[in-house]
Amino acid sequence: DAKTTQPPSMDCAEGRAANLPCNHSTISGNEYVYWYRQIHSQGPQYIIHGLKNNETNEMASLIITEDRKSSTLILPHATLRDTAVYYCIVRQPSGTYKYIFGTGTRLKVLA
Amino acid sequence: GAVVSQHPSRVICKSGTSVKIECRSLDFQATTMFWYRQFPKQSLMLMATSNEGSKATYEQGVEKDKFLINHASLTLSTLTVTSAHPEDSSFYICSARGQGASSYNEQFFGPGTRLTVL
Repeated sequence: DAKTTQPPSMDCAEGRAANLPCNHSTISGNEYVYWYRQIHSQGPQYIIHGLKNNETNEMASLIITEDRKSSTLILPHATLRDTAVYYCIVRQPSGTYKYIFGTGTRLKVLA
Repeated sequence: GAVVSQHPSRVICKSGTSVKIECRSLDFQATTMFWYRQFPKQSLMLMATSNEGSKATYEQGVEKDKFLINHASLTLSTLTVTSAHPEDSSFYICSARGQGASSYNEQFFGPGTRLTVL
């Protein structure tokens, strides 16, 4: 079973920040949180990942709570091209490093 | 860097035939490749994990004799759907991780292959 829960859908106005929450209350101390997105009929695209600290790259920011039981992906200025399904994944710390996908959040950016 | 390709992107076949899908890592050596299946409006479901030169590990409920996986080199894995039936129609996606792709072991995904069985 997936170790993450996300809201099924969200809307965001173009140009505004999109904040996508993820609950991973059973995460263990050495498991990373990864975020991917999937635009219709394409393979998932890597966005960002983190362990304990907040992270930022050219695409997004990742805020992880101090107890690591939840996180938020922030797209600072959403565009229409950010419309996609966003997946939050807790990655196995060793072995095959396999991903178990949850249901994701379908983000719709509105003009 | 870290590009994964799949071929074909789309295939239509008759019921009872076998279909092979290729997954290639173009600019890194993939020590591990993963195969997923995705039905319409659903999430990705992991089917199997394969390491170069060894047998694939299948997830519970996935028939290993129906979905044959070969990972013969560090840049190529193949998924063969044997005796395909209409219920096998789906979007098949591969991913890869390995040397030179990243130091954090993230997976890089291919663009997917849409299989339609008539």
